Amino acid sequence: DIQMTQSPSSLSASVGDRVTITCRASQDIRNALGWYQQKPGKVPKRLIYVASSLQSGVPSRFSGSGSGTEFTLTISSLQPEDFATYYCLQHKSYPNTFGQGTKLEIK
Amino acid sequence: EVQVVESGGGLVQPGGSLRLSCAASGFTFSNYWMHWVRQAPGKGLVWVSHINSDGSSTGYADSVKGRFTISRDNAKNTLYLQMNSLRAEDTAVYYCANLREDYWGQGTLVTVSS
Repeated sequence: DIQMTQSPSSLSASVGDRVTITCRASQDIRNALGWYQQKPGKVPKRLIYVASSLQSGVPSRFSGSGSGTEFTLTISSLQPEDFATYYCLQHKSYPNTFGQGTKLEIK
Repeated sequence: EVQVVESGGGLVQPGGSLRLSCAASGFTFSNYWMHWVRQAPGKGLVWVSHINSDGSSTGYADSVKGRFTISRDNAKNTLYLQMNSLRAEDTAVYYCANLREDYWGQGTLVTVSS
């Protein structure tokens, strides 16, 4: 099974900051990775698909990069509504696997 | 409008069984693989199971293999998850999802407790 190691597990930042979250895959997953945002009590929402494509309707301050085993999600300028938990999901092979999550909190 | 609605959750004793259903509309259900994802209280997302578009192929997380069975009825646009031999660690909100299009239900809570 492919393991996804996400870091950091939590992050404190301020409005306007640039933040980066990383996911590392235990083996090559090409670009079969998505990034999700989840707010408390809400359903996960995909931000990025196939590693770097922005989901329709998602603000352009979100971007994804990487391929193979290392991937990053970058938020270029944090907005108040971005404070949430973020997950990566690999879909290269089954079982699909999520990262452990990164909780982004207000500093 | 896309709708994905789970049902069937509830309180069950350890060792018991439960069947979840997921009714989908607003997209061509029979064209898509479907998935179950769960989230224990205060914990992260965990992929549970998938089924291909015609139901001929399925997959499971190791933690549920041999206990859970995913199935679908394309005539009814409905996905199922039969959960047997339930354990306390299966307590979670269970989401039905079309991951390709990012369509998720609101989830149904399964609580395994005596």
